[in-house]
This record gives sequence, C-alpha cells and structure tokens, in this order.
Amino acid sequence: SQTIHQWPATLVQPVGSPLSLECTVEGTSNPNLYWYRQAAGRGLQLLFYSVGIGQISSEVPQNLSASRPQDRQFILSSKKLLLSDSGFYLCATDRALEKLFFGSGTQLSVL
Amino acid sequence: DQQVKQNSPSLSVQEGRISILNCDYTNSMFDYFLWYKKYPAEGPTFLISISSIKDKNEDGRFTVFLNKSAKHLSLHIVPSQPGDSAVYFCAASPYGQNFVFGPGTRLSVLP
Repeated sequence: SQTIHQWPATLVQPVGSPLSLECTVEGTSNPNLYWYRQAAGRGLQLLFYSVGIGQISSEVPQNLSASRPQDRQFILSSKKLLLSDSGFYLCATDRALEKLFFGSGTQLSVL
Repeated sequence: DQQVKQNSPSLSVQEGRISILNCDYTNSMFDYFLWYKKYPAEGPTFLISISSIKDKNEDGRFTVFLNKSAKHLSLHIVPSQPGDSAVYFCAASPYGQNFVFGPGTRLSVLP
C-alpha cells in the first residue's frame, strides 16, 4: 500500500533563511503529488501539484517553489523565507479509494 | 473568492447526539466531494466521499448528503463520540483531481 514520508515534522527558521521540505512516496509509481498549506485558522490551500518528473504546476503566486527530481520525490523550497510562510505543510498523493492521501505534515514557524 | 465554504467555524455537540457539518460550493463543475478529519499536528485523514451521481453515501456512523441543486452537502455523525472532536474539511473537485478545500469546521463533542 502507499505510504508518504514527510520530514521534518517541525521546523523553526529565521526570516530570510532558505527552506527545503522533502516528501517521498512508496508503494506506487508515477503518482500525482501535491503540496498543501494550512495557515493558522485557515483551510487547506493547494500550492503545487505535479503529474510527473519535472512537471510542476503552481496554484497561487508565492514565495515558494517546488521540484520533482525523481518519480516519487517532491520538494518544496524557498530561497528566503517570509513571516507569512509560517504554516502546516502537507504533501499528498492520489489514492484510489480516498482520492487524496496526506502525509503527516511539517509545522513551519518563521520567526 | 471561496469556491468551497464551511460557514460554521466551530460546532459543539453532546456525546451521543448527532453532529451535522455543512458545506456549500459555488462551482457547478464540481462533481466529486470528500470529507476529511484532522487532528492538530497531523495530516488529514479521509472519512467519506460522494460523487454527483448520488445524493447519499453512508459508512458506519458517517453519512454524507449531497443536494446538487442547492450546491450543498452535509456530513452527519451519529452517535457523536468524544474521539470525533477534530477539524473537519469538506473538499470538492471536477473530475476527481485538484481538490479545493473549505476552511474547516472545528467539532467539539462534549462528554
């Protein structure tokens, strides 16, 4: 069955520092992959999705970027973090019955 | 403009009673709907889904109702249990991909 590994679980970064969050998926090939963010008191916002290696679509203009260097690896990055980048970041993939299957998330605090 | 709305940020229900969580959408192209439950610092977990060809789907204590003409769906939990206390997200999509999430409703089930 599919599993999603997401790390780190918690991250505290100063404003202006770089960011790299990694997500890997097991138990499937050529998955659709997604990055969502839940800001404090808000819903889940789709940031990026990818249908294959090197194919990234962005849903909202922002300070973040995403890359998919391998079939089952999805990376969320920033060159310089802003305070507004704080939030709970979730990687997700499609899973037949559940449609969207989420990882355990990374709580990012930018100070 | 929010395409998926959950107008009640929070809801409190007594243990054993029914919890009704509501969701409204604006995009008539949405034809597949999901409900997720989320505990703090964890990824959302799938609860139940419904496609636009149905008006009801039931799974144990959880039932989702869809009113296409009103662009409204609801999740019923009966009987409610303290472990049901969480944030519930409604999500909608056209063609089963690129789901749009509502802002969530925090359910508190009181013992």
